[in-house]
Amino acid sequence: GEDVEQSLFLSVREGDSSVINCTYTDSSSTYLYWYKQEPGAGLQLLTYIFSNMDMKQDQRLTVLLNKKDKHLSLRIADTQTGDSAIYFCAETLDSSASKIIFGSGTRLSIRP
Amino acid sequence: NAGVTQTPKFRVLKTGQSMTLLCAQDMNHEYMYWYRQDPGMGLRLIHYSVGEGTTAKGEVPDGYNVSRLKKQNFLLGLESAAPSQTSVYFCASSWMGRQDGYTFGSGTRLTVV
Repeated sequence: GEDVEQSLFLSVREGDSSVINCTYTDSSSTYLYWYKQEPGAGLQLLTYIFSNMDMKQDQRLTVLLNKKDKHLSLRIADTQTGDSAIYFCAETLDSSASKIIFGSGTRLSIRP
Repeated sequence: NAGVTQTPKFRVLKTGQSMTLLCAQDMNHEYMYWYRQDPGMGLRLIHYSVGEGTTAKGEVPDGYNVSRLKKQNFLLGLESAAPSQTSVYFCASSWMGRQDGYTFGSGTRLTVV
């Protein structure tokens, strides 16, 4: 079946790296995404990775994909207060009509 | 450069009342979606549409209806609101290529009392 799982909370000290983890169950996933939701706002696409890649880097963001273990992670280097948000992992499936399945979101809080 | 616009932003309904949430996008996207967001449950797909005049059920369609009469608009209706429908509702749209992901609206916070 389709399922995406994330831990609900992560607390990180300002300036440290944050690593948000996600596991998914469907091996036919084609694209995997990270979205960011700030308070009172909709979701914004941060980055995505195609399933035949194992890493993608974009400035402070690094996405790692372990397809064998169905594990996706998002690393945020030098975490800042503006990074406080809920981060959603998501996947698409070959067999669905462009449906994206979202995880429950990880709330990242930054402590001074 | 509006993107995806949802109206209204907030609404309080009494049990049994009806209402329609409007989603409008100006990006000529083919696909449109309605999600609800509840604490600890992430986003759950209610209904979606792959083009003008088409609709399909998502994960939690019961109690909701949708229409896509014009390509740019996707309406979500609640015929008889229930307290279990208290939630934040998000509309999203996308091109046919999945790699672009979705563009989301800013949400409608609905409370049913």
